[in-house]
Amino acid sequence: GIQVEQSPPDLILQEGANSTLRCNFSDSVNNLQWFHQNPWGQLINLFYIPSGTKQNGRLSATTVATERYSLLYISSSQTTDSGVYFCAVERYSGGGADGLTFGKGTHLIIQP
Amino acid sequence: DVKVTQSSRYLVKRTGEKVFLECVQDMDHENMFWYRQDPGLGLRLIYFSYDVKMKEKGDIPEGYSVSREKKERFSLILESASTNQTSMYLCASSQGDGPQHFGDGTRLSIL
Repeated sequence: GIQVEQSPPDLILQEGANSTLRCNFSDSVNNLQWFHQNPWGQLINLFYIPSGTKQNGRLSATTVATERYSLLYISSSQTTDSGVYFCAVERYSGGGADGLTFGKGTHLIIQP
Repeated sequence: DVKVTQSSRYLVKRTGEKVFLECVQDMDHENMFWYRQDPGLGLRLIYFSYDVKMKEKGDIPEGYSVSREKKERFSLILESASTNQTSMYLCASSQGDGPQHFGDGTRLSIL
């Protein structure tokens, strides 16, 4: 199956700092999503980005499908950005969905 | 917005019990999924379904079964619960090749 590697595994920053999270995947994919898991365990959709660049407020993401990686940028970090960030990919088989394969996540701590 | 609702946030059951976890989505999505999340192992796919009465095994189907009798509802069944099935269970749905949307999760403890 597809391998998904995220880096760094842990990141501690001061409020206001910028950060870049990376996701490498081992094969071509049809779907790539970034999630934020909050302290209550809820998975929040950040981006659906199998290719290209998207922005949503202080967050943006870029996926270079030909080179099999994606980047999540967080600017002007706030304490509420703390949590675990997951990258997940999906490769369709037989023309249909096949379930997401998740990376191990980046645990981000923003200190006031 | 897509709404995926899991029937319980927290659930405590005994070993050997038959356990049902229910998931309902309100967007007429064709695909539904069950994952479990464990410390050190991450999120793993248990089962998924791409149509009513259809099911496919994911990466870790052993000890589980599923039921999809209606398009909006996807049930995960633990036939005889064991302590190693204590976990966080997450349900998701998607349409076609679009993004998956997740419910809030069920923290299941098997005593």
